[in-house]
Amino acid sequence: SQKIEQNSEALNIQEGKTATLTCNYTNYSPAYLQWYRQDPGRGPVFLLLIRENEKEKRKERLKVTFDTTLKQSLFHITASQPADSATYLCALDIRRNSGYSTLTFGKGTMLLVSP
Amino acid sequence: NAGVTQTPKFRVLKTGQSMTLLCAQDMNHEYMYWYRQDPGMGLRLIHYSVGEGTTAKGEVPDGYNVSRLKKQNFLLGLESAAPSQTSVYFCASSRGTSAVREQFFGPGTRLTVL
Repeated sequence: SQKIEQNSEALNIQEGKTATLTCNYTNYSPAYLQWYRQDPGRGPVFLLLIRENEKEKRKERLKVTFDTTLKQSLFHITASQPADSATYLCALDIRRNSGYSTLTFGKGTMLLVSP
Repeated sequence: NAGVTQTPKFRVLKTGQSMTLLCAQDMNHEYMYWYRQDPGMGLRLIHYSVGEGTTAKGEVPDGYNVSRLKKQNFLLGLESAAPSQTSVYFCASSRGTSAVREQFFGPGTRLTVL
């Protein structure tokens, strides 16, 4: 069956370090992968999208890699700050019977950055 | 520019009652989605719409109905609420197929069914 796996345990790191979050998937062949941030009591907010033919994408302190052979995406936050504390969700496109694609989300990993 | 708004923010229902959740977007997006989010389960797609007057089932559609009579609105209905429908409901919209476009989410509706 299709699965998207993100670390269920919270990731605790110190301010200034690089946080690395993992998204693994099985039985999918996504053309795209997206990362979202979700703060408590709020809806998810889009961060980055990476296509299957892209190895790496950057945006300010964020970097995403996409390895379709390993079926894995890594999400990095460099020089992390307490304000980066949130839950991070990865999402893969899935083509439905309707012919349209929708997103399937992982359960998310909570990141806690301590001062 | 309000983005995606959801009404109401909170609601408590008794088993068997009905209600409608309203989602509105002012970005002229074609695609709209309803998700539910439960602890340990992540976001799951209930129904989606690729344009005015069209809707389709997602992963967990049972017990819900939807309508998209106007492009900017997407309604989620519970005809006979059950405790298993206690959840946080999120609406989202996007410009095109979700594979190539980011989704914009609303603030959520917290629903409790007693």
